[in-house]
Amino acid sequence: QSVLTQPPSVSGAPGQRVTISCTGSSSNIGADYEVHWYQQLPGTAPKLLIFGDSNRPSGVPVRFSGSKSGTSASLAITGLQAEDEADYYCQSYDSSLNVPIFGGGTRLTVL
Amino acid sequence: QVQLHQWGAGLLKPSETLSLTCAVYGGSFSGYYWSWIRQPPGKGLEWIGEINHSGSTKYNPSLKSRVSISVDTSKNQFSLKLTSVTAADTAVYYCARGVGLQFLEWLNYWGQGTLVTVSS
Repeated sequence: QSVLTQPPSVSGAPGQRVTISCTGSSSNIGADYEVHWYQQLPGTAPKLLIFGDSNRPSGVPVRFSGSKSGTSASLAITGLQAEDEADYYCQSYDSSLNVPIFGGGTRLTVL
Repeated sequence: QVQLHQWGAGLLKPSETLSLTCAVYGGSFSGYYWSWIRQPPGKGLEWIGEINHSGSTKYNPSLKSRVSISVDTSKNQFSLKLTSVTAADTAVYYCARGVGLQFLEWLNYWGQGTLVTVSS
């Protein structure tokens, strides 16, 4: 059971917008620790997609955006493309455990 | 461009010690949290632990009694040892570079991953 909760799966048609939620608690996201997102394509290592709640590393398309409110965060992908089909993980820090924590991951299927 | 390359034994028997090493190419070695993360087959990511360039470590409480992370700054390498492995330790193990001021905040470079299988 992950400390951060994500939906196991989401799906969308090409060109559509999808969002992936990441729900935490008062000891992590709710304590204003930043949320980061990773994309893991099949058979590859995770890749940093969003850091510091809403910042994109160089090279990440603007189609990917992050936001945070209260004890939850969201990753939005607009203009869905077939190449976006992957697993997505949120990550933050927990002050009770005093360690970095991951969500359980969400599999995005492009229909 | 920063690159992380990792290696180590991929097949272990129960009770043996897992040993992996990660070499860092490009960029500074100091000022970062050098980390290990694992991913059991078909499952999510689990942070194992971290070490900084001065040798200060932090471990996942669930693995703390069996984990040891060390660093060799002369070679820009860091290593993971996990003792008394069982089938539950079967996973892809990743090394990664962590960024943060007072604690590890995010991981911006990852190794290619090493599948470690524990089987008798």
